[in-house]
Amino acid sequence: EAGVAQSPRYKIIEKRQSVAFWCNPISGHATLYWYQQILGQGPKLLIQFQNNGVVDDSQLPKDRFSAERLKGVDSTLKIQPAKLEDSAVYLCASSLGRTGTDTQYFGPGTRLTVL
Amino acid sequence: AQSVAQPEDQVNVAEGNPLTVKCTYSVSGNPYLFWYVQYPNRGLQFLLKYITGDNLVKGSYGFEAEFNKSQTSFHLKKPSALVSDSALYFCAVRDQSGYALNFGKGTSLLVTP
Repeated sequence: EAGVAQSPRYKIIEKRQSVAFWCNPISGHATLYWYQQILGQGPKLLIQFQNNGVVDDSQLPKDRFSAERLKGVDSTLKIQPAKLEDSAVYLCASSLGRTGTDTQYFGPGTRLTVL
Repeated sequence: AQSVAQPEDQVNVAEGNPLTVKCTYSVSGNPYLFWYVQYPNRGLQFLLKYITGDNLVKGSYGFEAEFNKSQTSFHLKKPSALVSDSALYFCAVRDQSGYALNFGKGTSLLVTP
């Protein structure tokens, strides 16, 4: 079974530029998550989708971050404009459902460096 | 609010010795608890989870964890450590309302030959 795919794996940009990340979840997984992991910290949820609808985006800085999941499969996360503090690893995860017992499976992440 | 604490930044153990990585949690109601491992430049890999039932949960790669409700703990254990177990370990909790996992800050495990 293929895992969660993410691209690119690494990205370096200058502040105020824009950047986009792509995620393809495990086939059949209805729920998709984007997490931000700053160096030395645990991942923090940015946004959660159930199919193509947003379930929770309370931690998403909406003035600069946006995400979509068209057709309920792939997802993109965008940052515009980027700030230095956005340097982090962006992890995508998926799960079969969105109950508390569902296991989330993570992709390899995209490491973003903002200069 | 739900949270987990991993009190140790780093755990050092010799190969072949038992290992324990500690985790305590705070949640209203019954918790759902998870352990993940992260190798350098890799995403998080699921190890095991506690939902209900037996307090001793067995997972991948010989790891197990013990749920202790009175101490609100969910420590990760392995009877005999391998050098290849060296990685970053994260404990996470969810309450019954579902949604996001709340992660601890992680514990770096170093197993020396």
